[in-house]
Amino acid sequence: AQSVTQLGSHVSVSEGALVLLRCNYSSSVPPYLFWYVQYPNQGLQLLLKYTSAATLVKGINGFEAEFKKSETSFHLTKPSAHMSDAAEYFCAVSEIQGAQKLVFGQGTRLTINP
Amino acid sequence: EPEVTQTPSHQVTQMGQEVILRCVPISNHLYFYWYRQILGQKVEFLVSFYNNEISEKSEIFDDQFSVERPDGSNFTLKIRSTKLEDSAMYFCASTEDRAGYTFGSGTRLTVV
Repeated sequence: AQSVTQLGSHVSVSEGALVLLRCNYSSSVPPYLFWYVQYPNQGLQLLLKYTSAATLVKGINGFEAEFKKSETSFHLTKPSAHMSDAAEYFCAVSEIQGAQKLVFGQGTRLTINP
Repeated sequence: EPEVTQTPSHQVTQMGQEVILRCVPISNHLYFYWYRQILGQKVEFLVSFYNNEISEKSEIFDDQFSVERPDGSNFTLKIRSTKLEDSAMYFCASTEDRAGYTFGSGTRLTVV
């Protein structure tokens, strides 16, 4: 079964600094991968997704992620953090077979320091 | 852009009461899901629904839970006798294929 591991439950960066949120997955076949953002007391908003096209995926709000098969990773980056980026970020992989449900990582809470 | 709509946004219920959470998935989507997020924890899969029947359910989805698509548009989650530990945010999601999942804004269920 697919699984997702997000390294670091909390990440803190300064405003203007690079944001790097790590995600590793396990899958026996090429997966579809997603990053979702959740602002306080809100739902899940899709940031970006990888669906076997370009390995570097650009999303909303200046975020991007690179699919690296050799490292089974899909890390999320943003060159310059903004205060409004403070939120919880979830990496997810979709199942290949069966119900095709999403399997989520534990989440990473991003804090931006002024 | 098409949306998944969930109602109510917040529901407070007494322990032991039945609750029904409602969702309207995107009309051309084929797969429907309920997920749960206990405060401060990750999003957990509850159940998936395809072709008018449950295709998969998690260990969380016990006999107290049921889902229904009564009229071809609504997709409901029923909890027959709520427990304190059922307090969580419940998300409905739908997809046409596994390349695009759309989530609703969630229903916050508080059991008192």
